[in-house]
Amino acid sequence: AQSVTQLGSHVSVSEGALVLLRCNYSSSVPPYLFWYVQYPNQGLQLLLKYTSAATLVKGINGFEAEFKKSETSFHLTKPSAHMSDAAEYFCAVSLSSGGYNKLIFGAGTRLAVHP
Amino acid sequence: EAGVTQFPSHSVIEKGQTVTLRCDPISGHDNLYWYRRVMGKEIKFLLHFVKESKQDESGMPNNRFLAERTGGTYSTLKVQPAELEDSGVYFCASSHLSTYNEQFFGPGTRLTVL
Repeated sequence: AQSVTQLGSHVSVSEGALVLLRCNYSSSVPPYLFWYVQYPNQGLQLLLKYTSAATLVKGINGFEAEFKKSETSFHLTKPSAHMSDAAEYFCAVSLSSGGYNKLIFGAGTRLAVHP
Repeated sequence: EAGVTQFPSHSVIEKGQTVTLRCDPISGHDNLYWYRRVMGKEIKFLLHFVKESKQDESGMPNNRFLAERTGGTYSTLKVQPAELEDSGVYFCASSHLSTYNEQFFGPGTRLTVL
C-alpha cells in the first residue's frame, strides 16, 4: 500500500531563508509524486510533479524537489522564502500514469514566513 | 478557462439533516474526483468518476454518502443523514484522461455538522 509522510506539521522560516519541506513515501512500485500548495481560501494548486523522468523537478514560484529512490524521499525546497510563500503544502503519491488515479496525500505542512 | 467550482463554500447543518454538495469540473474533463479533509488530517480520496461512471468508490465512508454525476458533467455528493464525524472540507478535482494525473482542485466546501 502507498503512503506519504510529511515531517513537521508546521515550519517557520525567515524571509530570504531556505525553505525545506520533507516528504517520504512508501510504494511497492515506482511512484508518481506531487507537491500541491493551498493558499488561504483557495483550492489546491499543483507546484510540481515527478513522473519518472528527471529526478530533480522544477516547479512554479521557484520551488523544486528531488526524487531520491534510495531514501524514498521527495523533499521540497526553495532557496529564498518570500512572504507570499506562506501556505499549506501537501505531498502526494499516485500509482498510475494512465491519466486517472487517486492521489494519496500526506497530512500537510503549514509554512509560515516571518520578516 | 474557468476552474473547478464548488457550491456551497460553507454549510452548517444539524446532525441528522441532509446536505448536497455540488462540483462543476473544468469543461472537457472526463475525470472527476471527490476528496475529504477532516480536522487537519490528511486529505483522503472518496471516489472517482470517469464521465458518468463510478470508476473507484473505495474511499466512500458508508452508505450515508451518495455521489452522482449526471450526464458526465457536474457532480453532487449527498450526505444523508449527516453525522458529527462528517464535518470537514470536501474537495473536488478534475482532470483530462490524457494528462499525467494533473488534477485541478476546487476551493472546497467546508461542512460543519452540529
